[in-house]
Amino acid sequence: AQKITQTQPGMFVQEKEAVTLDCTYDTSDPSYGLFWYKQPSSGEMIFLIYQGSYDQQNATEGRYSLNFQKARKSANLVISASQLGDSAMYFCAILVPMDTGRRALTFGSGTRLQVQP
Amino acid sequence: DTGVSQDPRHKITKRGQNVTFRCDPISEHNRLYWYRQTLGQGPEFLTYFQNEAQLEKSRLLSDRFSAERPKGSFSTLEIQRTEQGDSAMYLCASSLVRTGGTDTQYFGPGTRLTVL
Repeated sequence: AQKITQTQPGMFVQEKEAVTLDCTYDTSDPSYGLFWYKQPSSGEMIFLIYQGSYDQQNATEGRYSLNFQKARKSANLVISASQLGDSAMYFCAILVPMDTGRRALTFGSGTRLQVQP
Repeated sequence: DTGVSQDPRHKITKRGQNVTFRCDPISEHNRLYWYRQTLGQGPEFLTYFQNEAQLEKSRLLSDRFSAERPKGSFSTLEIQRTEQGDSAMYLCASSLVRTGGTDTQYFGPGTRLTVL
């Protein structure tokens, strides 16, 4: 079974500092995709960044970067220069085949990030 | 704004009643997904459509749940004979998947269901 583990239920960071949110995954499929989403208190899931299993370079998107360590099966999200608006739940997700062979997203349990002024 | 929209945003119902939710995906997106999210958890996959065809259903989707996407555009999710355990946020997402491309899903604001 595919699995995503986020071991940090909550994190605090000072404004303007960088923070790393951990994500490990478990899959036997050689082809998979890793996603990070942000969910503010309003409830909408906002796509942040994507990393494919065959991508050679770590993905970056503005202040977001993904520290992808394939051998360790980890895909940590790094947020640089934290802003107050970054306070939210952050979910890691993996896109892998289900029993039928078709792919769907499996999400972790999330990390609540609070940015302090 | 041409993002994913969902209606209603909130629904309160009594146990045993039927409810129906609607999702309008991003225009031209060929895939549409439904997820359920309970408090303190990540979303759980329920079902997805490629155009009008329902290609995958999770084991979480009991016989009381049915989803349609009749013309390959908007979708509805109906829950019959609601139970208190159905109380959750129901999220819809859409994506445009081309051969060899990435399935990046964009989510709507969700419908929060409360079953009394």
